[in-house]
Amino acid sequence: GDSVTQMEGPVTLSEEAFLTINCTYTATGYPSLFWYVQYPGEGLQLLLKATKADDKGSNKGFEATYRKETTSFHLEKGSVQVSDSAVYFCALQTGANNLFFGTGTRLTVIP
Amino acid sequence: DAGVTQSPTHLIKTRGQQVTLRCSPKSGHDTVSWYQQALGQGPQFIFQYYEEEERQRGNFPDRFSGHQFPNYSSELNVNALLLGDSALYLCASSLSPSGSYEQYFGPGTRLTVT
Repeated sequence: GDSVTQMEGPVTLSEEAFLTINCTYTATGYPSLFWYVQYPGEGLQLLLKATKADDKGSNKGFEATYRKETTSFHLEKGSVQVSDSAVYFCALQTGANNLFFGTGTRLTVIP
Repeated sequence: DAGVTQSPTHLIKTRGQQVTLRCSPKSGHDTVSWYQQALGQGPQFIFQYYEEEERQRGNFPDRFSGHQFPNYSSELNVNALLLGDSALYLCASSLSPSGSYEQYFGPGTRLTVT
């Protein structure tokens, strides 16, 4: 079945450090891939997405590239800020509208 | 433009009781999906409603049921509550069940079963 394996956290970085959160997936068919972010006490917000192989999703300085050959969709940001502290979820969607999520990675950015 | 709203924010119930959670979709959306997020885990899909019918269902027992109203709002009902049902319940709305439309999430209802 469809599944997402996400880098376990928590991750603690200093402000302006480089961020990578790894995500790999298993899916039948050709999934769309997503990164969602959850700030404390809030619901999920879509951060970025990619719908086909080699697509790059980007938003707010975050990027992720859909790599079919390695079944990966790693999240990166060149310089994190304290305001980026949150839990990040990798997710996939195949055809139908339900999302499969990873277990989440908690990021804490310290000044 | 109001986003997805959920009520109540928090809820405490006792084992064996029944609970109803409510969701109002984002304006213009007609599809509602429900997810369960246990502490420290990613959300898991419960079911999806479109045109007042359950269109898809995840791996959840029949104790979990739902309803969608003509105004597209939705309810999630859980019967015979177990301790393991304690979780954050998230509602997401979208425009049609098509996978090409983004799902917008509400803030969730935190259910605690004692």
